[in-house]
Amino acid sequence: GEDVEQSLFLSVREGDSSVINCTYTDSSSTYLYWYKQEPGAGLQLLTYIFSNMDMKQDQRLTVLLNKKDKHLSLRIADTQTGDSAIYFCAESIGGDDKIIFGKGTRLHILP
Amino acid sequence: SQTIHQWPATLVQPVGSPLSLECTVEGTSNPNLYWYRQAAGRGLQLLFYSVGIGQISSEVPQNLSASRPQDRQFILSSKKLLLSDSGFYLCAVTSVDSLKVTDTQYFGPGTRLTVL
Repeated sequence: GEDVEQSLFLSVREGDSSVINCTYTDSSSTYLYWYKQEPGAGLQLLTYIFSNMDMKQDQRLTVLLNKKDKHLSLRIADTQTGDSAIYFCAESIGGDDKIIFGKGTRLHILP
Repeated sequence: SQTIHQWPATLVQPVGSPLSLECTVEGTSNPNLYWYRQAAGRGLQLLFYSVGIGQISSEVPQNLSASRPQDRQFILSSKKLLLSDSGFYLCAVTSVDSLKVTDTQYFGPGTRLTVL
C-alpha cells in the first residue's frame, strides 16, 4: 500500500544542522518532495528529487535518497529561526494523479 | 508560473449551515486540481481531485462535495456542516513543467474553517 512516514517533532539549536527523515513504501515512486508549511499558510515546495537520483543540493538544503531502503532525508545546514515550520515529505506514483503526503515534522528551533 | 487564489481566508460557520469554498488558478491551463483538509495537529487528507471540467474523484465519503464548473475553478461545498468539518482547507494544482517533467503540486494560501 501507499504510506509515507515521518517523525512528528524535531528540535534543533540555531546554527546546527537539521535532518528530517522520511520513509515511504511504494517502490514505483517517481518523484519525492519536501514541502514547508509556516503557521497559517499553505504548503510551499522546497525541493524535489527524481527517484533515480541519490542526492540533490540547493543552497542550505540537501536531499538524500536511499531507494533500496525507501528512505528520504532533508538536511538544513545552519538552521535559522525562519526555518521553524512543519516539513512534509511526499511521493508521487508513476501513472497516478495523486501525491501521497506524510503527516509532517514540526521543526522547533532552540536559541 | 501559476497563482492559486482561495477565498475566503477564514470562515466561522454554525453547525448545519451550508459551505462554499472557492479556488481559482491563474497562469496554467488544463490543470489537475485538489482539495485537502488539514485538521489541527494532523497531516493532509486528500478530499477530492479533478483532472478536468466536471470530473471529480472523491477520496473520502463524507458530507462534502466538490465541483469544477470551469477549467481553473474548483469549489468545495457542503449542505450541512458538522463540527468535524473544522480545519484548514487547501487547494492545490498540478503543474507539469515542460523542463522538469514532474507533476509537482503547488498550494494555495488556504481557508481556515471553524464550525461552532
